[in-house]
Amino acid sequence: NAGVTQTPKFRILKIGQSMTLQCTQDMNHNYMYWYRQDPGMGLKLIYYSVGAGITDKGEVPNGYNVSRSTTEDFPLRLELAAPSQTSVYFCASSEAGAGEQYFGPGTRLTVT
Amino acid sequence: AQSVTQPDIHITVSEGASLELRCNYSYGATPYLFWYVQSPGQGLQLLLKYFSGDTLVQGIKGFEAEFKRSQSSFNLRKPSVHWSDAAEYFCAVGAELTGGGNKLTFGTGTQLKVEL
Repeated sequence: NAGVTQTPKFRILKIGQSMTLQCTQDMNHNYMYWYRQDPGMGLKLIYYSVGAGITDKGEVPNGYNVSRSTTEDFPLRLELAAPSQTSVYFCASSEAGAGEQYFGPGTRLTVT
Repeated sequence: AQSVTQPDIHITVSEGASLELRCNYSYGATPYLFWYVQSPGQGLQLLLKYFSGDTLVQGIKGFEAEFKRSQSSFNLRKPSVHWSDAAEYFCAVGAELTGGGNKLTFGTGTQLKVEL
């Protein structure tokens, strides 16, 4: 039981490039979330999903897109990378809507 | 909108000493409250949570927290700190999202250093 896994662990992008951050959970959780963490700040919600085929925006969705075709996977897409997207990205999942969220190890992204 | 304040950015304690990390929240209804710990380069691990009932909540690694509605606080405590407790600690309040799910609003974190 691996929990929540994220790939890659680290990535450097040039401005204007695109990439997909992968997130997979093996706990059969319906709810999945993407957060970003900036230095000295708490985590901020980017997008979330309440089940396969259903996604919605969080606090800071601009510059990102998501999809949820299966229960297990919730990829985050950056289309035109900008320096403001330099951050650590965490994926999380939960069984119940108000339940504990389980976090992945994070992806550290630098845009230069 | 909900918010969380962790007034202490850094705290240093000696190993074996007691610890209290402060957390104040703002939320219109009965909150779901959480404490998470993050070790360097790692994801967040849940220490404990409060949903309802007993206001003193026990968590993992010997941590506890007390929910005080009148003070809008959810402070984290440990009677005797171990060197391995050095990490960053985040308090969070949960609110239900449209269509389901739970948005966590995090404080800015408290970095704990433990002196041997």
